[in-house]
Amino acid sequence: AQSVTQPDIHITVSEGASLELRCNYSYGATPYLFWYVQSPGQGLQLLLKYFSGDTLVQGIKGFEAEFKRSQSSFNLRKPSVHWSDAAEYFCAVVGGGGNKLTFGTGTQLKVEL
Amino acid sequence: DAGVIQSPRHEVTEMGQEVTLRCKPISGHNSLFWYRQTMMRGLELLIYFNNNVPIDDSGMPEDRFSAKMPNASFSTLKIQPSEPRDSAVYFCASSPQAGPGSGNTIYFGEGSWLTVV
Repeated sequence: AQSVTQPDIHITVSEGASLELRCNYSYGATPYLFWYVQSPGQGLQLLLKYFSGDTLVQGIKGFEAEFKRSQSSFNLRKPSVHWSDAAEYFCAVVGGGGNKLTFGTGTQLKVEL
Repeated sequence: DAGVIQSPRHEVTEMGQEVTLRCKPISGHNSLFWYRQTMMRGLELLIYFNNNVPIDDSGMPEDRFSAKMPNASFSTLKIQPSEPRDSAVYFCASSPQAGPGSGNTIYFGEGSWLTVV
């Protein structure tokens, strides 16, 4: 069965600092991977996704993620965090042809001014 | 374009009452998903439909929960009778064609915040 691990429950960074949120997945074949962001009281918004091809994926709001098959990872990065990036971030995985998107437990990002 | 529309946004109800949550997917999307979000269990897929047909309801917690999709533009999630442990945020989401496993993005509504007292 597919699964996702986000080892960091909370992360605090200073505005302007770089950010990396970790995501490890478990899936037997090539997975389809997603990062979503959830602001308080809101639904989930897609930041980026990986299906195939270039392992470095660019998303909205200046985010990027890199798929590393050897490490079963899909970490999310941003070179310079803005106060408005404070939110909860979810990594998710689905197997090719499947429809059951499995989410990690989320990482709550706090940005210090 | 309108996104996924859910109603009600907030509901407080008494234990034992029937709760009906409603969802209008994005026009043209063929797959519809109901998720539940709680602090303890995170985001869980309850059920999903493809072309109005329930494909997988293995995530529905028990018989008190039921979901229908009578047409391509409307779905309901019903809890009868409701219990305090059903308190959660319920998200409806939709996706083009066959869903995320075919390379498609799932678009989420803003959620229905349910409190059962």
